[in-house]
Amino acid sequence: EAQVTQNPRYLITVTGKKLTVTCSQNMNHEYMSWYRQDPGLGLRQIYYSMNVEVTDKGDVPEGYKVSRKEKRNFPLILESPSPNQTSLYFCASSLGGPAYEQYFGPGTRLTVT
Amino acid sequence: DQQVKQNSPSLSVQEGRISILNCDYTNSMFDYFLWYKKYPAEGPTFLISISSIKDKNEDGRFTVFLNKSAKHLSLHIVPSQPGDSAVYFCAAFTFYNQGGKLIFGQGTELSVKP
Repeated sequence: EAQVTQNPRYLITVTGKKLTVTCSQNMNHEYMSWYRQDPGLGLRQIYYSMNVEVTDKGDVPEGYKVSRKEKRNFPLILESPSPNQTSLYFCASSLGGPAYEQYFGPGTRLTVT
Repeated sequence: DQQVKQNSPSLSVQEGRISILNCDYTNSMFDYFLWYKKYPAEGPTFLISISSIKDKNEDGRFTVFLNKSAKHLSLHIVPSQPGDSAVYFCAAFTFYNQGGKLIFGQGTELSVKP
């Protein structure tokens, strides 16, 4: 089954404790992206990757890191999480880029206390 | 600076009637517009898209209209069904100097009542 998986689905952590949210797709897509969803703000892009070893900032990259060492994986790293990073996070992938249909993962609910 | 705006946070429609969801944008360089639908506890799913060289695109019950002069996009759902109840996001993309960026609106929650 074609899908995007994220882990963990729920995470409660404390300020400053490094964490990684994994994202994996099995569709051989070149483009992958991370978004956060916040009430009243919709979906905002954090980082995206056009291909392996090619990453770039979205609209809200501060406090986040990403890497793309393999085509299928695109982990999101929070080196020192802060409470303002409490949010719902989505990973997505597409064959041709953001102008084409993106397939989203189920989301990761992160709470930073 | 919100480049893509959905000014109606919610919309309620009777089953069988038309639902019209609106989206405004400020960047005239946008080349593509997309609509995504999101159910609670799930990721968004792609619904329909339109290129800036077109003014209408239709897929079954869903039609997207683009008015470039007004920088306005709308999604029409006819007839509306209870299963259409979800949050709808419009999104915009430009090939020019934006790489892989996609800008989303805030979302409109549609409720279709039986």
